[in-house]
Amino acid sequence: TQLLEQSPQFLSIQEGENLTVYCNSSSVFSSLQWYRQEPGEGPVLLVTVVTGGEVKKLKRLTFQFGDARKDSSLHITAAQPGDTGLYLCAGGTPMNRDDKIIFGKGTRLHILP
Amino acid sequence: DAGVIQSPRHEVTEMGQEVTLRCKPISGHDYLFWYRQTMMRGLELLIYFNNNVPIDDSGMPEDRFSAKMPNASFSTLKIQPSEPRDSAVYFCASSLGGGNEQFFGPGTRLTVL
Repeated sequence: TQLLEQSPQFLSIQEGENLTVYCNSSSVFSSLQWYRQEPGEGPVLLVTVVTGGEVKKLKRLTFQFGDARKDSSLHITAAQPGDTGLYLCAGGTPMNRDDKIIFGKGTRLHILP
Repeated sequence: DAGVIQSPRHEVTEMGQEVTLRCKPISGHDYLFWYRQTMMRGLELLIYFNNNVPIDDSGMPEDRFSAKMPNASFSTLKIQPSEPRDSAVYFCASSLGGGNEQFFGPGTRLTVL
């Protein structure tokens, strides 16, 4: 079974601080997606990384895919209350016929004003 | 496009009753996914369809759960009989192609008393 472990599970920090959350697995993924879910809503895609070592930036958010395509990180610079939410990583598996993606349990982030 | 539409948004029922959740995917999307989300277990894939055909139902907890997709614009998830442990938020998502960005509906919050 391919699992995605996300850490930390919960994180509460002050506005303006920086933070990094992690998504790790012992399996190789063909791609990795990051979603953000706000209370009462479904997850929304933030970014997809495909190539080992790839780095993508989305304003104050920086996403990195590990060289071996087994892990990923999300770094937020100068966190703001609007960044509050559940961050989910999801992996697509290579060389199989499944078209599903596997979700981690998420990191619940709370930014204090 | 209106996005993925789910109904009802909230459902409260008593143990033993039949529950039917409904989903309208984004027009033109060929994949439809049903998920269940709880704090303990995170986001779990229950079943997914490709071109209205069920591909993988290994996540369906037990025979009390069934899902159908009679056409490209409609799917149902039925629980009969419902139990308190079925209480969760149920999401429907659709995508164009497998393994690609999934667009989630707002979810149905189910409470079984």
